Amino acid sequence: EIVLTQSPTTIAASPGEKVTITCRASSSVSYMYWYQQKPGASPKPWIYDTSKLASGVPNRFSGSGSGTSYSLTINTMETEDAATYYCQQWSSTPPTFGGGTKLELK
Amino acid sequence: EVQLVESGGGLVQPGRSLKLSCLASGFTFSNYGMNWIRQAPGKGLEWVASISSSSSYIYYADTVKGRFTISRDNAKNTLYLQMTSLRSEDTALYYCARQGVVGFDYWGQGVMVTVSS
Repeated sequence: EIVLTQSPTTIAASPGEKVTITCRASSSVSYMYWYQQKPGASPKPWIYDTSKLASGVPNRFSGSGSGTSYSLTINTMETEDAATYYCQQWSSTPPTFGGGTKLELK
Repeated sequence: EVQLVESGGGLVQPGRSLKLSCLASGFTFSNYGMNWIRQAPGKGLEWVASISSSSSYIYYADTVKGRFTISRDNAKNTLYLQMTSLRSEDTALYYCARQGVVGFDYWGQGVMVTVSS
């Protein structure tokens, strides 16, 4: 099973600030998915195929990475971006999720 | 509009069984792989099981293998999760999720399963 480790676990950012969340895989994966989850809501697809934005995702978000290291970046933090973000792989079964990064508004 | 509506959750004693259902609408259910994903209270996401569009391929997480059974009825647009020998650690919000190009592209609202005596 591929273990995904996200860092940081929690981060606080001010509006306008740049934010980067990292996801490290225990073995190489071909691509990474990212999901956004807000309290009391179901997760939403956010980034797929490592760097493609899901429908409706603002272009201040970007994804990058390869092999065992991937990241999600917010170019300029906005209030609505406060949420928990999860990375996920399915390069090998079972699909696994990272532990999540809680992004708070400072 | 794609909709996934879970049902069948509740409070159950350890060792007992429960069957979850997920009614799909707004898309051709028989064309998509489907999954169950759970989230323990205050915790992260854990994939539980997946089933291909025609039920040819089925996979389980090690934590539920031998106890849970995923199935589907394409004529009824419904996904199921039969859970047996339930444990306290199975307590979670259970989501059904469609498998799409963008990953798990649609999720239900979730159904709560609480395992406690």
